[in-house]
Amino acid sequence: QVTLRESGPVVVKPTQTLTLTCTFSGFSLRTSEMCVSWVRQPPGKALEWLALIDWGDDKFYNTSLKTRLTISKDTSKNQVVLTMTNMAPVDTGTYYCARRTSRGYCTGGICYEVFDYWGQGILVTVSS
Amino acid sequence: DIQLTQSPSFLSASVGDRVTITCRARQGISNYLAWYQQKPGKAPNLLIYAASILQSGVPSRFSGGGSGTEFTLTISSLQPEDFATYYCQHLNSFPFGPGTKVDIK
Repeated sequence: QVTLRESGPVVVKPTQTLTLTCTFSGFSLRTSEMCVSWVRQPPGKALEWLALIDWGDDKFYNTSLKTRLTISKDTSKNQVVLTMTNMAPVDTGTYYCARRTSRGYCTGGICYEVFDYWGQGILVTVSS
Repeated sequence: DIQLTQSPSFLSASVGDRVTITCRARQGISNYLAWYQQKPGKAPNLLIYAASILQSGVPSRFSGGGSGTEFTLTISSLQPEDFATYYCQHLNSFPFGPGTKVDIK
């Protein structure tokens, strides 16, 4: 059974650095085609993809936020950590981690990388 | 990144209605598209991938179609549990579409 759970502070002050941890089970980031991603959602607004780390430790970032984001993994602990610097009120929202994989999503010789399992999300408020 | 648009942004419908949502890509993306459903206060849920393949456990009233730059998500007979926001996503990159909220008429 695959599960993911986000943890971290629910309130941060402007200019502070946010550190969020995604703790997962039911899969390993040592396994090829396994990735973990972070997605956020401001209140009442759309989903915004933030960052992704894969089994080979390759990292990908939202180009608009790249200078503020760092993603890393601790394979032994089954954890992925996201840091976001210089937080502002506009960064308020629910932050989700999700598994991205193509395992089990192949057809006609083509594989599709989907976000198939998500954490419940953590609401982070940026306020002084 | 491929930019995705969705139409309509908001849709008001009744139980039993047939509903279609459109997702357009600025450039051709073959069938590398997924649809997600999100209910208030919940994480998104994968409905369809490869533009038309239903994720395991998703009711057959949901269907997807299209290829290239235009894609559709159709709900053949809207059920009370289908009132939610729907997002498309390009599977070779990461951004999501802006979403379509399906509300009760």
